[in-house]
Amino acid sequence: KAGVTQTPRYLIKTRGQQVTLSCSPISGHRSVSWYQQTPGQGLQFLFEYFSETQRNKGNFPGRFSGRQFSNSRSEMNVSTLELGDSALYLCASSGTITSMSGDTEAFFGQGTRLTVV
Amino acid sequence: AQSVTQPDIHITVSEGASLELRCNYSYGATPYLFWYVQSPGQGLQLLLKYFSGDTLVQGIKGFEAEFKRSQSSFNLRKPSVHWSDAAEYFCAVGYNAGNNRKLIWGLGTSLAVNP
Repeated sequence: KAGVTQTPRYLIKTRGQQVTLSCSPISGHRSVSWYQQTPGQGLQFLFEYFSETQRNKGNFPGRFSGRQFSNSRSEMNVSTLELGDSALYLCASSGTITSMSGDTEAFFGQGTRLTVV
Repeated sequence: AQSVTQPDIHITVSEGASLELRCNYSYGATPYLFWYVQSPGQGLQLLLKYFSGDTLVQGIKGFEAEFKRSQSSFNLRKPSVHWSDAAEYFCAVGYNAGNNRKLIWGLGTSLAVNP
């Protein structure tokens, strides 16, 4: 079956702009988590959605938001972009709520590489 | 505070040599433990995981890991490395936080394989 699909793969934006990233989970999966990956900070959890509800949230400012649709596809939005937002944004899907089921495997997409100039 | 440490930022081994990647965690109870691999331009792929039971866990691609409670470690091993194993390896720890479980990640170990 198809894996986790993230679009677009690459983005270049200017400071102050906003950006929307998309994630289509594996068919049948209802949980989508988002991560920011940078060389200095590693993988940092942004938030998790399950059945259209945000179930868990990391320590990111309110400029980072997300949502999940009834078909489990998820979008992540970053407003008022800063240079420090340049990163690889990864989406992971699973069949259960990852944050409440520690034994659940998460399947990752290839990520969206965001560059803010 | 809970934390995950991968002491080795970068490791280089020769093809056919054995490999051990270290992972140490800080948590009061037994956490859920994972190793993921990220190849260039790819997402993360689960290699193996530990929740309970046998402390030696077998994973995909010939990898194994051993949970040592006394050392708070979950080191990844492979007896004979292949050139295709060159990638970034991440250790992750899941733990209880109220009604939720949180997953925290090490900063990764970059593995280079010499022919």
